Amino acid sequence: QVQLVQSGSELKKPGASVKVSCKASGYSFTWHSINWVRQAPGQGLEWMGWINTITGNPTYARGFTGRFVFSLDTSVSTAYLQIISLEADDTAVYYCARDRATIDFDYWGQGSLVTVSS
Amino acid sequence: QSVLTQPPSVSAAPGQRVTISCSGSSSNIGNNYVSWYQQFPGTAPKRLIYDNNKRPSGIPDRFSGSKSGTSATLGITGLQTGDEADYYCGVWDSSLSAGVFGGGTKLSVL
Repeated sequence: QVQLVQSGSELKKPGASVKVSCKASGYSFTWHSINWVRQAPGQGLEWMGWINTITGNPTYARGFTGRFVFSLDTSVSTAYLQIISLEADDTAVYYCARDRATIDFDYWGQGSLVTVSS
Repeated sequence: QSVLTQPPSVSAAPGQRVTISCSGSSSNIGNNYVSWYQQFPGTAPKRLIYDNNKRPSGIPDRFSGSKSGTSATLGITGLQTGDEADYYCGVWDSSLSAGVFGGGTKLSVL
């Protein structure tokens, strides 16, 4: 069965970096793009962008350029989200999601909580 | 402020029917397919509806989706206490070249 398994919670200090992983199984990794979605505490869902799993080309939503980096390791069917120079406002749960079609997410990872605190 | 507008909360009694609206524009709902997601506290969202009105396998037919113009609606019949959750609409916005979600609606089954 299709699964997206994400890495665990992280506690980081402001200015540090974090890398969240999303390991896919149960399907051919390059058949679907991987999207990233942020959910701040008590808030709604926010689309961060997506990465083409064939070309590795990332697309970032407005507000997620510069400090956010999407990458892949297709040899292990894994997508990564790296956040550089963490700020307190980056505290959120980050989800990876497979898309069947544009913004139609049929499978989601369980989420990775990133907490930024001094 | 989300591009898509949903009511913050809706409520109804067990067994009743409820609808959740999602209002947008021609650049998103008006010309693209809408998906709906259900999210329980502390868990990942789950897709309920895709392509405006299609249900994935395993989703009960109590859940339905529709679209008219620049608005979409999620309907839930035979409400159960287990339906208490947050519900989000999502769609591609062609003007923004971005995916957008509604602000979410909290469903209470009283």
